[in-house]
Amino acid sequence: DAKTTQPPSMDCAEGRAANLPCNHSTISGNEYVYWYRQIHSQGPQYIIHGLKNNETNEMASLIITEDRKSSTLILPHATLRDTAVYYCIVRVSYGNKLVFGAGTILRVKS
Amino acid sequence: KAGVTQTPRYLIKTRGQQVTLSCSPISGHRSVSWYQQTPGQGLQFLFEYFSETQRNKGNFPGRFSGRQFSNSRSEMNVSTLELGDSALYLCASSDRSASGGAGEQYFGPGTRLTVT
Repeated sequence: DAKTTQPPSMDCAEGRAANLPCNHSTISGNEYVYWYRQIHSQGPQYIIHGLKNNETNEMASLIITEDRKSSTLILPHATLRDTAVYYCIVRVSYGNKLVFGAGTILRVKS
Repeated sequence: KAGVTQTPRYLIKTRGQQVTLSCSPISGHRSVSWYQQTPGQGLQFLFEYFSETQRNKGNFPGRFSGRQFSNSRSEMNVSTLELGDSALYLCASSDRSASGGAGEQYFGPGTRLTVT
């Protein structure tokens, strides 16, 4: 699985959009980009995933660059409850092994 | 649908003992994966079971083992516990088939194991 690089931490004002970047320059054509988050001491929560096209669901939007070497997770209106560690993961289309990096600690402040 | 459940939620064991943790996946999910989370190493993949067969294994010693039953429930066992085995053990289930395709994994709340 390709390696990902994320900033160690970010701050965001409550109500504003949180944009979390992820670099995955060695991604292969059959690898998906997944985002999970983990609120303190809870199990990770699935947020969104994508292959080539931008994706949106009720939680967030995922923007993948055309060359697929980087992506951005967007939380459109961050709340205090969005404070968590956010993990960007690249994985192949078979099997269920997730390789977690250190992630980005997002702090939403009022 | 009920989520992934793990039992027990908290456990305290003594070095040298063994422990068995249980995971019940979401109904209909046939894949169960196990992860270990520690402050030093972060989240690490232990193994995955699909239809009672171990499909993938992480880089852990043989003291860590698992199994899956016909109803997709899974157990993991750690023998000869060491202090370093203290961790949050997480289970995740998926309806992703063996043939692939994208799909998300749903994690349980974890079992917090403390080895003294």
